[in-house]
Amino acid sequence: EPEVTQTPSHQVTQMGQEVILRCVPISNHLYFYWYRQILGQKVEFLVSFYNNEISEKSEIFDDQFSVERPDGSNFTLKIRSTKLEDSAMYFCASSGGTLYEQYFGPGTRLTVT
Amino acid sequence: GNSVTQMEGPVTLSEEAFLTINCTYTATGYPSLFWYVQYPGEGLQLLLKATKADDKGSNKGFEATYRKETTSFHLEKGSVQVSDSAVYFCALTRGNQGGKLIFGQGTELSVKP
Repeated sequence: EPEVTQTPSHQVTQMGQEVILRCVPISNHLYFYWYRQILGQKVEFLVSFYNNEISEKSEIFDDQFSVERPDGSNFTLKIRSTKLEDSAMYFCASSGGTLYEQYFGPGTRLTVT
Repeated sequence: GNSVTQMEGPVTLSEEAFLTINCTYTATGYPSLFWYVQYPGEGLQLLLKATKADDKGSNKGFEATYRKETTSFHLEKGSVQVSDSAVYFCALTRGNQGGKLIFGQGTELSVKP
């Protein structure tokens, strides 16, 4: 069964450093998403991406964040200058349509020290 | 705006007990509704879904019915098992907003033998 994969599973970085989180969505999906979950809290939407552009972003997704689909298979989330409060689990998801179920990857745990 | 409210946890049950986790939503129009499950240390998995009023989603003995009149999507299972211990998230999506999922705060379920 096809699945969404994410790398790395755990990333530790120092405050102010740039990080890139990587995702490989399901191959025939067209819609891509990033969510985050701070420990013990609800899952929060960050950004949706369709047709090579951002279709919606939340207020969390400020100028420090960017997304890219560089090669038709990977989907990346970059945080330019990490802050302590960026520490969270980041989930990538993909779907075949906006009303269809989203399939989630296993997540990348980001720890900013 | 659109939102999802779930009953607070944690919920602790004995094996074979009946489970109900309440979920109500606020949304304009006709959202699609989902239940996702997160087992300890893992990502989000789709449990079931319903895309229109009076639809019943079901999977692995869990059921939920889309009730437009009460704006609810309560999750039920007739006989829980220890392996059902997890965090359960109710979510909605409105297709015309890029498909982002809006999650409830999650309800932790602990099933004791």
